[in-house]
Amino acid sequence: NAGVMQNPRHLVRRRGQEARLRCSPMKGHSHVYWYRQLPEEGLKFMVYLQKENIIDESGMPKERFSAEFPKEGPSILRIQQVVRGDSAAYFCASSTGTGVHEQYFGPGTRLTVT
Amino acid sequence: GQNIDQPTEMTATEGAIVQINCTYQTSGFNGLFWYQQHAGEAPTFLSYNVLDGLEEKGRFSSFLSRSKGYSYLLLKELQMKDSASYLCAVRGGGATNKLIFGTGTLLAVQP
Repeated sequence: NAGVMQNPRHLVRRRGQEARLRCSPMKGHSHVYWYRQLPEEGLKFMVYLQKENIIDESGMPKERFSAEFPKEGPSILRIQQVVRGDSAAYFCASSTGTGVHEQYFGPGTRLTVT
Repeated sequence: GQNIDQPTEMTATEGAIVQINCTYQTSGFNGLFWYQQHAGEAPTFLSYNVLDGLEEKGRFSSFLSRSKGYSYLLLKELQMKDSASYLCAVRGGGATNKLIFGTGTLLAVQP
């Protein structure tokens, strides 16, 4: 049973470019979460999605960031016009819709903005 | 507000027992999770508590006291591979399943 998959694992972008991060949840999981981890800091929640719905986006910056989880295909976290402060590890997690809802994390995408 | 506190670093000896504490103040509570994270890797799920008491899982145990806003993770028979960050996370109340993480405790296991 494949785990949560994220790609790319490493992404380098120049200031002003767009970054697209992809996440495929574990088989049987319909809930997806995005977290950001800055150097020397803890994981910070960004957004929680179910298929075609954003459930909680209270952690998303108001501008330049967006997320989707379409009916078909992976969840996408999109960062427009990246700035140096966006450099971080972005982790995706997934869970089932029942029970404990423990979240299983993907390997992360390390974004570097030059 | 939301606040989760853990010690920043701890050191322990191979074969020993270590207890990592976590205190929390959150608006709503619907479970506490512990994760292990090796440097440069994804967090991996260790344990979950929603009721008061001790949950045991092999060499790892986790305790919760909701009235005190307190949890600990107990690691027994420490091995070198247990050197990692240990993350305490609280799931708040309401419809969201989001996790609020502490900054993590970096555990170094020495021979």
